[in-house]
Amino acid sequence: AQSVAQPEDQVNVAEGNPLTVKCTYSVSGNPYLFWYVQYPNRGLQFLLKYITGDNLVKGSYGFEAEFNKSQTSFHLKKPSALVSDSALYFCAVSESGSARQLTFGSGTQLTVLP
Amino acid sequence: DSGVTQTPKHLITATGQRVTLRCSPRSGDLSVYWYQQSLDQGLQFLIQYYNGEERAKGNILERFSAQQFPDLHSELNLSSLELGDSALYFCASSVGGAPSHEQFFGPGTRLTVL
Repeated sequence: AQSVAQPEDQVNVAEGNPLTVKCTYSVSGNPYLFWYVQYPNRGLQFLLKYITGDNLVKGSYGFEAEFNKSQTSFHLKKPSALVSDSALYFCAVSESGSARQLTFGSGTQLTVLP
Repeated sequence: DSGVTQTPKHLITATGQRVTLRCSPRSGDLSVYWYQQSLDQGLQFLIQYYNGEERAKGNILERFSAQQFPDLHSELNLSSLELGDSALYFCASSVGGAPSHEQFFGPGTRLTVL
């Protein structure tokens, strides 16, 4: 079975500081990993994905994530947070070669303080 | 704007009733996914259709059914509604049906069962 964990329900960071939103996953084989963001009263919006290749993935709005196979992690990062980054962030996982679709984490509420 | 449209935006109904949620995918996308988002269950994958055929099934109740029509729009039918069915229902679409493809989410339908 595939699963994903976001250990922090809430992350607070000051504007201009670096931010990290954590994600760990569990799959039997090779993972496909995604980050989505949800603003209030909106649908989820795709940020970035890891399928294969370079462990550092760059995405929209200056976000990036690093795939770490040994630690089964895919943490989302941004060098300098903006107040407008405040939103709910979801990590999701699927498995290469599997017909199963995405399993989403429980979400992390990011608040960037001015 | 993701290009995925969902109607209606809000739906209020009573227990035991039946409702239909509608989704139009992005132009060119062949795959449609349905998700349920609630506070206690998080974001749950319900079902996926690809070019009119069911591709994958998740945690969809027997009281729920879906279909994708030749014009690729999709409908999610919820019957014998219970209070616990109150949730946000999202539709998403992707160009292909593989788990490696990013999904584009609609704004959601908020269902309230009284």
